[in-house]
Amino acid sequence: DVKVTQSSRYLVKRTGEKVFLECVQDMDHENMFWYRQDPGLGLRLIYFSYDVKMKEKGDIPEGYSVSREKKERFSLILESASTNQTSMYLCASSQSRGSYNEQFFGPGTRLTVL
Amino acid sequence: AQSVTQLGSHVSVSEGALVLLRCNYSSSVPPYLFWYVQYPNQGLQLLLKYTSAATLVKGINGFEAEFKKSETSFHLTKPSAHMSDAAEYFCAVRELGGSQGNLIFGKGTKLSVKP
Repeated sequence: DVKVTQSSRYLVKRTGEKVFLECVQDMDHENMFWYRQDPGLGLRLIYFSYDVKMKEKGDIPEGYSVSREKKERFSLILESASTNQTSMYLCASSQSRGSYNEQFFGPGTRLTVL
Repeated sequence: AQSVTQLGSHVSVSEGALVLLRCNYSSSVPPYLFWYVQYPNQGLQLLLKYTSAATLVKGINGFEAEFKKSETSFHLTKPSAHMSDAAEYFCAVRELGGSQGNLIFGKGTKLSVKP
């Protein structure tokens, strides 16, 4: 089974702090994604990556950056956390070739910014 | 542009009743379609997927969905609801173009099951 793990289930940070959310997948998937989930808004794509050191902006990249130094790891960075970044963050991965691109999700990190 | 619409942000059924969660998509070519389920404070789990092999797709936990091209629909059903089905359900379509396979998600439908 594909396993996607996220570094924290719950995180509380203060406004202005730099925040790192880590995601690791163990199935050698090429593609990795970061979403945020808010009530009534569904899932919104922040950034995605289809190869090491590659990154693409999603629908809401403002206030975020990402890093992908190794194939299995995709990090989301909040350079200066703000209260409007309080949300549930979901990481996902998928295979590029020979698949239908279904995404496999981690358990999520619920981030609260005070 | 592609889109996914889920009718009804909340659906409530009694235990043992039929579950019907609606999903309509827009796509100019035959799509790949997915249903995911999210239990409270968890990530999303794949329930089933449509990949053009068969129009009626069976998934986990007794769920199934039927692809209807003429109606551009992919509704999710389960004959008899169980309390453990209470969760949020998301319909998604694979975005056209590119190799990275981005998915476009609907806004979700929260299913409540009454005893």
